[in-house]
Amino acid sequence: DVKVTQSSRYLVKRTGEKVFLECVQDMDHENMFWYRQDPGLGLRLIYFSYDVKMKEKGDIPEGYSVSREKKERFSLILESASTNQTSMYLCASTLGLAGYEQYFGPGTRLTVT
Amino acid sequence: QKEVEQNSGPLSVPEGAIASLNCTYSDRGSQSFFWYRQYSGKSPELIMFIYSNGDKEDGRFTAQLNKASQYVSLLIRDSQPSDSATYLCAVNAGGGNKLTFGTGTQLKVEL
Repeated sequence: DVKVTQSSRYLVKRTGEKVFLECVQDMDHENMFWYRQDPGLGLRLIYFSYDVKMKEKGDIPEGYSVSREKKERFSLILESASTNQTSMYLCASTLGLAGYEQYFGPGTRLTVT
Repeated sequence: QKEVEQNSGPLSVPEGAIASLNCTYSDRGSQSFFWYRQYSGKSPELIMFIYSNGDKEDGRFTAQLNKASQYVSLLIRDSQPSDSATYLCAVNAGGGNKLTFGTGTQLKVEL
């Protein structure tokens, strides 16, 4: 059965902290994605990775970085958290090109105070 | 102009009726089209995908694609209260690995 897991469901951090969000998939998928979802703005792509150690910027990469050292794991890093990064963060993975279904993790609701 | 546009709703339909959800997109090179359902507090799950012009049916769901008019729609027949959710349209513009999502349409199926 398909599974994408995220390290935390809820997270509260202070402004300026370095924040790590982790995502793990067990489907041997090539591609992994990080989105944030905000009311009225929908799902917006932050970064994606199509192979180990490979990454590409999405639509809103500012203030974020990513790491993919192993195929199954894709980490999102907030270098210095700010209040405008308070959001729902969703990780997804897919086998091949975007013609394939993206499987989503349960999401991490991050609050930055 | 947004790349993928949806009416935010809410769209209210009575139980047993047909719900019609619409989505327009701006990139004529778009190749793959997806409908996701998202319950409140949950992550999106795929309902349908469609690549070719015309209709594609799966149970109570029908996806319709018209590339000339740049719209894709989702019909839900015999709507049930359990169909109440936000429906996200997603488009793969010009190939590659990325999907662009609309902001979603909230559907409410009333008893």
